[in-house]
Amino acid sequence: GAVVSQHPSRVICKSGTSVKIECRSLDFQATTMFWYRQFPKQSLMLMATSNEGSKATYEQGVEKDKFLINHASLTLSTLTVTSAHPEDSSFYICSARELAGGRDEQFFGPGTRLTVL
Amino acid sequence: GQNIDQPTEMTATEGAIVQINCTYQTSGFNGLFWYQQHAGEAPTFLSYNVLDGLEEKGRFSSFLSRSKGYSYLLLKELQMKDSASYLCAVVDSNYQLIWGAGTKLIIKP
Repeated sequence: GAVVSQHPSRVICKSGTSVKIECRSLDFQATTMFWYRQFPKQSLMLMATSNEGSKATYEQGVEKDKFLINHASLTLSTLTVTSAHPEDSSFYICSARELAGGRDEQFFGPGTRLTVL
Repeated sequence: GQNIDQPTEMTATEGAIVQINCTYQTSGFNGLFWYQQHAGEAPTFLSYNVLDGLEEKGRFSSFLSRSKGYSYLLLKELQMKDSASYLCAVVDSNYQLIWGAGTKLIIKP
């Protein structure tokens, strides 16, 4: 199957700093990438849908100025958590959608664990 | 390398029972998730197992054997709305999520 990577895998930062998380589709082009957040033992919460070359679509309740998403190429989307606070500590997961050869599949990244002190 | 195996597709009849297996080889183990995903929607959490044994939650049960690197999701009294993809994901020693490719479950009347 197709591979999606995330970097970094873990990050610890001080309150008030900004953190950038990268999501890459390694062997396919993804016109659409999704960003999720997961709280312990709960469902993945969709934060936003990122389309290459256009502005991301944010889910209700997600602050677009706090969670900046950039999808500059068909293989890379970034999520920047600005002015992070302890309540932003979570597991952030991206997925990439592959539309090719009649297939429509979604592949998930390994996640980034963010801890804000 | 790290690997999660689950069947690509399964078919079952409404009202029946189906078991979806997941085997894994990962660097360390910090728990296993099962998610349900309907087409076009975000995955929905079903279960989280970190200790061996069976956990029952309504019509859905999940089993884990850490020594065998094996888990299954058991769905009873199948309903048409259970038609979905079922994703198995393991948390490795670095707390990374290793995802299976998902099992597409088709329920027939």
